[in-house]
This record gives sequence, structure tokens and C-alpha cells, in this order.
Amino acid sequence: NAGVTQTPKFQVLKTGQSMTLQCAQDMNHEYMSWYRQDPGMGLRLIHYSVGAGITDQGEVPNGYNVSRSTTEDFPLRLLSAAPSQTSVYFCASRLTGVDQPQHFGDGTRLSIL
Amino acid sequence: KNQVEQSPQSLIILEGKNCTLQCNYTVSPFSNLRWYKQDTGRGPVSLTIMTFSENTKSNGRYTATLDADTKQSSLHITASQLSDSASYICVVSISGGSYIPTFGRGTSLIVHP
Repeated sequence: NAGVTQTPKFQVLKTGQSMTLQCAQDMNHEYMSWYRQDPGMGLRLIHYSVGAGITDQGEVPNGYNVSRSTTEDFPLRLLSAAPSQTSVYFCASRLTGVDQPQHFGDGTRLSIL
Repeated sequence: KNQVEQSPQSLIILEGKNCTLQCNYTVSPFSNLRWYKQDTGRGPVSLTIMTFSENTKSNGRYTATLDADTKQSSLHITASQLSDSASYICVVSISGGSYIPTFGRGTSLIVHP
């Protein structure tokens, strides 16, 4: 199993550009989520999905869109990049149940100029 | 507001020494508390989970404790190794159907030879 795979690992954008961060998992996990991690702050939930076709907002959803057409994939879209979205983005997945551990990808480091 | 506070923010110890990291939370209603280890440039990896009825749980050289009355948890690392250098993150989940866990900001541990 590859686990959770995120692409790209690094990306530099200009303000106003759009892009999609990719996330794929091969563990047949129902629950998937996107977080951002900023210096001195805990991981903050952007969006999450409890299954294919179902998504919901987390704590900091503004400026981001998600979709979940398959169990395996959960892409995160930045609609119009802003410098405040410079961060490290982590995708995670887990089985149903809050007692299940989240499996994280290794992150996408995004800089917006 | 649900909060998770970790201390110390950073810690430097010599290889072979023991250390204890603290996590205090105000999350309610409590479901479980999980400790993650995050190596530099990688995603977090689960170390252990504590539920309401558990006081102590070990995973190799890592021992977690939970005091549900005082809403405190600790992670004790015994005979530290250079590979223990990482950020340790405390995460608390609530019961009742919420999918949004609360993350602490982490403790950065550096183990020197």
C-alpha cells in the first residue's frame, strides 16, 4: 500500500492563479480531509469528506473548494491564490469512527507570491 | 471554545535522557486523545490513542497517560534516541458525531548526541 499520496510536493504560484492539490489513498478509507499547517499554529481543517459524493466545510474553508467523486481521490482547489494561503497542506484519510487514526500524506509546500 | 494546549513549546535533551510532554484540553464532550509524531518534512504519524477509561498506555519507549478529571495528558519518552527528534502533536476528538478534531500546536523535541 502506498498510503496517502499528495502531489505536487512543492509549488510556487502568483497571486490570482488557480491550482489543484491532488490527494489519493489506496486504503479504502471513507473519511478524507485537508489541513493546512502554519508556523506556530496547530493543523487546521479546511474541508473533509465522509464518503464519495459528500463533502463539508472545516474551520478555514474560505478560498478552497473540494470534491469527492471516488473513494480514492480528494482534490483541493485554490480558486484565486492569495499570499495568505502560503502554507503546508496535508491530506489525511481514516476509516469511519473518531477512534480511528488518521493517515497523513507528506504534504504539499505551497508559496504564493 | 474547544482548545488543546501543549507544553513546553520546545525542548532540547541529550540522547539517552527521559522527557515528558504535556497536553491540557478543554474539549467537551470528550471521546479520545491521540498523540502524533511529526518528523521534519513529513506528515504526522499516530503513536497512541487514549480513551476516557484508560489511564496509561505504552508503545515501546513512549508512554501516554490520561487524567480525564483534570483533562490532562502526558507523553513520556524513555531513553531518548536521535530519531525521537520531531514535533509531537496532541489531538482531541469529541463524541456526538463531530468530524472536526482539535489539534494542539505541538512540542518540538530535539535530541542531541
